[in-house]
Amino acid sequence: QQQVKQSPQSLIVQKGGIPIINCAYENTAFDYFPWYQQFPGKGPALLIAIRPDVSEKKEGRFTISFNKSAKQFSLHIMDSQPGDSATYFCAASKTRGGSQGNLIFGKGTKLSVKP
Amino acid sequence: EAEVAQSPRYKITEKSQAVAFWCDPISGHATLYWYRQILGQGPELLVQFQDESVVDDSQLPKDRFSAERLKGVDSTLKIQPAELGDSAMYLCASSLDATNEKLFFGSGTQLSVL
Repeated sequence: QQQVKQSPQSLIVQKGGIPIINCAYENTAFDYFPWYQQFPGKGPALLIAIRPDVSEKKEGRFTISFNKSAKQFSLHIMDSQPGDSATYFCAASKTRGGSQGNLIFGKGTKLSVKP
Repeated sequence: EAEVAQSPRYKITEKSQAVAFWCDPISGHATLYWYRQILGQGPELLVQFQDESVVDDSQLPKDRFSAERLKGVDSTLKIQPAELGDSAMYLCASSLDATNEKLFFGSGTQLSVL
């Protein structure tokens, strides 16, 4: 059972475009939703994260939108640059009641930003 | 900036052989995780340590996988015997403690089983 579903699998945008990556989760006990960025040959790096008590969070060019009732969240990258080309993973975890840090990852979205 | 160190970077082995991976977390990080990432998939947790104790190893195939963190600092993950399906990236991550959600990942060990 896939607990975090991510789409699209791949995405190509032009420089300056706004790629949007979507994730849906099933477990209503999840209360922490991070996005990780992974470059080839490297481990994932935390990009931005949100908790369900807010609907939006911005950090620089990266924005998370969160819809608790729909159990969906998305990543928007403003003014995308070729250096943003990477694989992006959404994740979810339950941070209360134990098993903290047991992140459930989506399958990833390979983003390519064309110059 | 402090990093999670992993070695080796790459490992090629034949099936039925034993392999071991090493991880040194960021200094002061009490919680250590081993994840497995199959090509084209997201990482999946294998085992979580709090200091030297195993907190969660429910997804660790214990018939062939073992993990230890004897002094609560660095950790070793072992596979014996390796199978073709074990080919994957093995990632180590650490966090300050189990209540801190921010995980720092190492660059991983890419395992190929022939």
